[in-house]
Amino acid sequence: KNEVEQSPQNLTAQEGEFITINCSYSVGISALHWLQQHPGGGIVSLFMLSSGKKKHGRLIATINIQEKHSSLHITASHPRDSAVYICAVYGGSQGNLIFGKGTKLSVKP
Amino acid sequence: SQTIHQWPATLVQPVGSPLSLECTVEGTSNPNLYWYRQAAGRGLQLLFYSVGIGQISSEVPQNLSASRPQDRQFILSSKKLLLSDSGFYLCAWSKGAGTDTQYFGPGTRLTVL
Repeated sequence: KNEVEQSPQNLTAQEGEFITINCSYSVGISALHWLQQHPGGGIVSLFMLSSGKKKHGRLIATINIQEKHSSLHITASHPRDSAVYICAVYGGSQGNLIFGKGTKLSVKP
Repeated sequence: SQTIHQWPATLVQPVGSPLSLECTVEGTSNPNLYWYRQAAGRGLQLLFYSVGIGQISSEVPQNLSASRPQDRQFILSSKKLLLSDSGFYLCAWSKGAGTDTQYFGPGTRLTVL
């Protein structure tokens, strides 16, 4: 079993839909990271959180430490949101990132 | 502001050939540096990290090696590439270890034929 599990693996949505991507982890962590990988491969950091909720524009990330679960929400989705969204947790002996396999999101106009 | 550079952007190499990928960071000093690999259909995997010049830690045994000859330079090398080395290689930096945000470079797409 992977230490970081994301669901769904693939997601297709219509423009304007509310989107939720889930991340569950099995290791003890100090923080969780949501990343966005563009079709060309470049990775951008979206959020880093260790408790509660963070919001940036149309993106919202929540984490429940007790349940070892985090969600990334996108409100009023747009085709430019199409990307792979990766959940990563800080674990390991040096607090290194452990990555989920990503969720590929396609938003259709 | 800080920037991170990687080159080359793409690379096609024959099996058994050597490899050298370079990563440099500007605008900060004594960063933590990381090499990741993303194989096709798989998640990102940490290969090496460095907390200072000449200090390299390896997470996964393989035929790759890393070096940090200067504070803001991180090099990934191989003496003989394998087919399984194909993938997308990302360099990243952070100000410290632990939960500091990591900033990723543009990546190098390596195809070994």
